Amino acid sequence: QLQLQESGPGLVKPSETLSLTCNVSGGSISTRSYYWGWIRQPPGKGLEWIGTIYYSGSTNYNPSLRSRVTISADTSKNHFSLKLDSVTAADTAVYYCATCAEWVGWFGPWGQGSLVTVSS
Amino acid sequence: SYVLTQPPSVSVAPGQTARITCGGNKIGSTSVHWYQQKPGQAPVLVVYDDADRPSGIPERISGSKSGNTATLAISRVEAGDEADYYCQVWDSTTDHLNWVFGGGTKLTVL
Repeated sequence: QLQLQESGPGLVKPSETLSLTCNVSGGSISTRSYYWGWIRQPPGKGLEWIGTIYYSGSTNYNPSLRSRVTISADTSKNHFSLKLDSVTAADTAVYYCATCAEWVGWFGPWGQGSLVTVSS
Repeated sequence: SYVLTQPPSVSVAPGQTARITCGGNKIGSTSVHWYQQKPGQAPVLVVYDDADRPSGIPERISGSKSGNTATLAISRVEAGDEADYYCQVWDSTTDHLNWVFGGGTKLTVL
């Protein structure tokens, strides 16, 4: 059974880089035709897609975040990562990783989520 | 870019039917998916491809679509249905792929 688990610092200072990793078990991130994505949710607000990386390594980012986001994958460790540069308090959110099969278009399963607070 | 519009809140008495809408100018030409999210939990898919249910989702939960509006209906509402609900589409029609979520609707069971 495919499982995803986010990990990374829970506190990041303003103007620094937020870094999170999603560890995948029960399947390979190299599996053909799967996207691996990041979604965030500010406290009390809705879901926002951040970006995805395809099994081949190609990436797609939310246009509103594209200038600050990098998603990468390490197939040897079977995990993928998120970096968000120049963070502000507005980037405080629960960050979820999830997967999406190319032939379905919806995300599932999801990780449990990781709260990242941006504060000095 | 793609925008999906949901009502911020819907309230319904137990046993009644709740309907949550999701509007967007391209909904008629793409599949709509729905998630349920309870406090402190990750979203869970409850309807995919407009009207299909994953295994384990009760038949009380159903989806439909007409024109550029998709609707999630929950019949015989129970207290346990109280949650936030999000619609989502995947815009794969351009070179740049986008996954788009609606703003979410809080379902309150009176």
